[in-house]
Amino acid sequence: DAGVIQSPRHEVTEMGQEVTLRCKPISGHNSLFWYRQTMMRGLELLIYFNNNVPIDDSGMPEDRFSAKMPNASFSTLKIQPSEPRDSAVYFCASSPTGMGTLHFGNGTRLTVT
Amino acid sequence: GNSVTQMEGPVTLSEEAFLTINCTYTATGYPSLFWYVQYPGEGLQLLLKATKADDKGSNKGFEATYRKETTSFHLEKGSVQVSDSAVYFCALSLNRDDKIIFGKGTRLHILP
Repeated sequence: DAGVIQSPRHEVTEMGQEVTLRCKPISGHNSLFWYRQTMMRGLELLIYFNNNVPIDDSGMPEDRFSAKMPNASFSTLKIQPSEPRDSAVYFCASSPTGMGTLHFGNGTRLTVT
Repeated sequence: GNSVTQMEGPVTLSEEAFLTINCTYTATGYPSLFWYVQYPGEGLQLLLKATKADDKGSNKGFEATYRKETTSFHLEKGSVQVSDSAVYFCALSLNRDDKIIFGKGTRLHILP
């Protein structure tokens, strides 16, 4: 099992540009989560999906952020336009439904200058 | 609301010392409790879990006991190693859905 795969590992972009982060969950896992980690705020849940349907997006900071899960093996998190305060490590995690345990990818470190 | 509070770090210990990282929680209902560990440059990994009161989770020499009366889930290890240096997160799940609530994390440094 390859685990949760995220791409890219690092992203450096200029303020105002669109950023797309990608995630491939573990096959057979029905839930997918997007988290953001910063020194100041720690680990924040942005959004999670169950069976490809968004269940809770209350953590999405503002309309500049959007997430999609078009099928069971792929999800994207998009920031448009990006701002320097969006700089963080973004993690994707997946879970078999009802198990309550998460499998994390290695994250995407985003730097917005 | 539902939340997890854990001791602030960093915690610095010498190799072979005894480790305790405190964690308390607030929850409606009966949560499952978890400890996750994050090594540098990686995502979080599940370290151990307990699903009901008085359960003890254990893994890699780490232990934590679900104490309902004190709403606590303290992480312990009898003899730490340099390789245990990482950030440790306490977390809970309400079991109604898959959502997991994390504490802020405790950074642990082990000196050789």
